[in-house]
Amino acid sequence: AQKVTQAQTEISVVEKEDVTLDCVYETRDTTYYLFWYKQPPSGELVFLIRRNSFDEQNEISGRYSWNFQKSTSSFNFTITASQVVDSAVYFCALSRGFQKLVFGTGTRLLVSP
Amino acid sequence: EPEVTQTPSHQVTQMGQEVILRCVPISNHLYFYWYRQILGQKVEFLVSFYNNEISEKSEIFDDQFSVERPDGSNFTLKIRSTKLEDSAMYFCASRAGQITDTQYFGPGTRLTVL
Repeated sequence: AQKVTQAQTEISVVEKEDVTLDCVYETRDTTYYLFWYKQPPSGELVFLIRRNSFDEQNEISGRYSWNFQKSTSSFNFTITASQVVDSAVYFCALSRGFQKLVFGTGTRLLVSP
Repeated sequence: EPEVTQTPSHQVTQMGQEVILRCVPISNHLYFYWYRQILGQKVEFLVSFYNNEISEKSEIFDDQFSVERPDGSNFTLKIRSTKLEDSAMYFCASRAGQITDTQYFGPGTRLTVL
């Protein structure tokens, strides 16, 4: 069975602080895909990144970076120099490919000015 | 940029009534999904649909639920007799045909059952 754990329920930071959101996953598959989605207060789910299990290269996109480590089954997400607009719930998710996404419980990030 | 659309954005219904939630997936996508999110909780998979049939469904997707792709563009979720516990945000998602493709979500329909 697949499982995603986001142990941090809520994180509060002050603007310009760096913050890391943790994601730990469980799967028996050798090929799988990991995702991060952002859910702002307006409620929609916004795709941020997809990672394939065979590609452990870390990725940076502007202020966002992702650290994928198969050895620890983790796919952590770091926001550098956080901004108020980053306030949202962030979900980590796992899939086998064509099949469903299995979501974690989400981490609520609150960035205050 | 193409996007998944959903209507209505908010539906209020009485317990026991039937509701139909509508989705228009991205036009060249082949795989379609419904998820739900009870307020404050995680996003849960309901059903996936490919080639005009259900490819996978969760335990939540019981006989009260059905999905349909009545034409080339719409993808609907029907709840036959709503219960209070069906109150949630329902998200439609679609993806293209490659295994590496991403699921893109619509803005959601908030269903409130009174």
